[in-house]
Amino acid sequence: DTAVSQTPKYLVTQMGNDKSIKCEQNLGHDTMYWYKQDSKKFLKIMFSYNNKELIINETVPNRFSPKSPDKAHLNLHINSLELGDSAVYFCASSQQTGYGETQYFGPGTRLLVL
Amino acid sequence: AQSVTQLGSHVSVSEGALVLLRCNYSSSVPPYLFWYVQYPNQGLQLLLKYTTGATLVKGINGFEAEFKKSETSFHLTKPSAHMSDAAEYFCAVTPIYNQGGKLIFGQGTELSVKP
Repeated sequence: DTAVSQTPKYLVTQMGNDKSIKCEQNLGHDTMYWYKQDSKKFLKIMFSYNNKELIINETVPNRFSPKSPDKAHLNLHINSLELGDSAVYFCASSQQTGYGETQYFGPGTRLLVL
Repeated sequence: AQSVTQLGSHVSVSEGALVLLRCNYSSSVPPYLFWYVQYPNQGLQLLLKYTTGATLVKGINGFEAEFKKSETSFHLTKPSAHMSDAAEYFCAVTPIYNQGGKLIFGQGTELSVKP
């Protein structure tokens, strides 16, 4: 059983479109995250949620809107996609929002905006 | 602001040779430290982490890292490289006073292993 899963794995779309990425974890964790990995492989936090409550919003454009329907799911919706949104998006989860907690990562969603 | 620096974006070693990947952090208060590995087209997997206690930390796949507060370093080593170790390695920190538990990553080091 996959611990942290993401769908879709690949996403190719046109500028201006709206798209969503879904994430689910079956680890029973309370905290979930979205990270963005750019073309130079640099990873940066976007959002984190603890038990469906937004904890971190790391100055991400308003076009990005996370939604957590329950603590096992954290989806990412992106409006009006831009070329610069092309990246790999990773979902992760941890037991709690504590210091030193191990984060478990999903396989990533590779987004290409044309 | 907290930052992590990995010296060398690309390291190449021969199979059987020592692997040394360098990581330094900037903080007046030592953070919690992690090493993650990313194999091609996959997610990140935790190799090891340091929170408290013994400064030499052993991880999976024969890797270990030593926290040196005086040098603000957390270098990753493995005595003998295998071909299967070829991957991207990321050092990361969680600042102790940070809310939300976010990981701050270094820029990554790509490890190549030559036969």
